[in-house]
Amino acid sequence: NAGVTQTPKFQVLKTGQSMTLQCAQDMNHEYMSWYRQDPGMGLRLIHYSVGAGITDQGEVPNGYNVSRSTTEDFPLRLLSAAPSQTSVYFCATGTVSSGNTIYFGEGSWLTVV
Amino acid sequence: GENVEQHPSTLSVQEGDSAVIKCTYSDSASNYFPWYKQELGKRPQLIIDIRSNVGEKKDQRIAVTLNKTAKHFSLHITETQPEDSAVYFCAAKRGSTLGRLYFGRGTQLTVWP
Repeated sequence: NAGVTQTPKFQVLKTGQSMTLQCAQDMNHEYMSWYRQDPGMGLRLIHYSVGAGITDQGEVPNGYNVSRSTTEDFPLRLLSAAPSQTSVYFCATGTVSSGNTIYFGEGSWLTVV
Repeated sequence: GENVEQHPSTLSVQEGDSAVIKCTYSDSASNYFPWYKQELGKRPQLIIDIRSNVGEKKDQRIAVTLNKTAKHFSLHITETQPEDSAVYFCAAKRGSTLGRLYFGRGTQLTVWP
């Protein structure tokens, strides 16, 4: 699904550092979201957006910020990385006109040491 | 919020046998139930979904059933093949627009040749 692009694919951070995971889509999907995936925990929603200028919290928002200034981009910011944020992060997009199906990006592997 | 429970966490079957994965949900207003397949190191991909106005849906060797009264839904894979080996996730959502999609913790399916 080349329509959802995540960068970087791999990143190692030191505790306390900040960074931004980028998500870009070219499918004109109104919905964009961030999930984290940890072993045995499934996929947990961090933040989501239903359109430019609109964001809302998911299940595990603490320690993360988002903004949606354009339809195409939905960056996820880690303000002060902690080892508990070591995870695989997936951006997902969708549109109501596609029947509520969401499409995942390839994932970003983040390690906080 | 919604609570989705998925069982079993691991499932091993012989090639050609059937596999069944079950999920329960807590929010009676949930009306959309997708299933995702995730191969090792890959992104989750939608394989089938069902809406609350339908009791069963089939797509070749895959079927999903929904029991709204009991608030559970199941994935059935017949004539399993080694390439069916993956982690399968169920999910649930309420409302007509994209928003919070809650996932189960996943089932690791292994199909032995």
